Amino acid sequence: AQSVTQLGSHVSVSEGALVLLRCNYSSSVPPYLFWYVQYPNQGLQLLLKYTSAATLVKGINGFEAEFKKSETSFHLTKPSAHMSDAAEYFCAVSEYARGNKLVFGAGTILRVKS
Amino acid sequence: DAGVTQSPTHLIKTRGQQVTLRCSPKSGHDTVSWYQQALGQGPQFIFQYYEEEERQRGNFPDRFSGHQFPNYSSELNVNALLLGDSALYLCASSLEVSAKNIQYFGAGTRLSVL
Repeated sequence: AQSVTQLGSHVSVSEGALVLLRCNYSSSVPPYLFWYVQYPNQGLQLLLKYTSAATLVKGINGFEAEFKKSETSFHLTKPSAHMSDAAEYFCAVSEYARGNKLVFGAGTILRVKS
Repeated sequence: DAGVTQSPTHLIKTRGQQVTLRCSPKSGHDTVSWYQQALGQGPQFIFQYYEEEERQRGNFPDRFSGHQFPNYSSELNVNALLLGDSALYLCASSLEVSAKNIQYFGAGTRLSVL
């Protein structure tokens, strides 16, 4: 069965510092991987996706993620944090051949300190 | 172009009651999925509708049922509400023929069961 593990339920960084949010997945077939962001009292917004093309994926708001098959990882990074990045981030996996439901991790709350 | 819209935004019910939540997909999308997000957790897949039929279902009891209409909009029904059904219910839409499986989420309906 598919699963996602996000290491660190809370991450705190200073404004301007590197953001690194960790995601490891389990999938029996080549996966599609996604990062979503959720601001308070809102739904989920897609940040970026990996769908078996380039392993380094660039998304919105300066975020990027690298798919590493050998490590079953899809970590999210941003070179310089901004106060507006404070939100909850979810990593998700789907296996299109088995229907396209998304399996989410538990989420990581990012705090940005001024 | 309207995105995914959900109604109502908030709902308060008592145990044992029944509730219906509504979702209109993004323009051009034909597939609707429902997720339950309990406080502090990632979204959990409830079920997915395509061509007015339930195509895939997560690990939720039969108290949770749904429907998709010819215009692709969808309803989620929950019978015999329990306190544990209190959560944010998210609707997501996607395009079946797209192999990239990008799901777009609405802002959700927050259900409180007292």
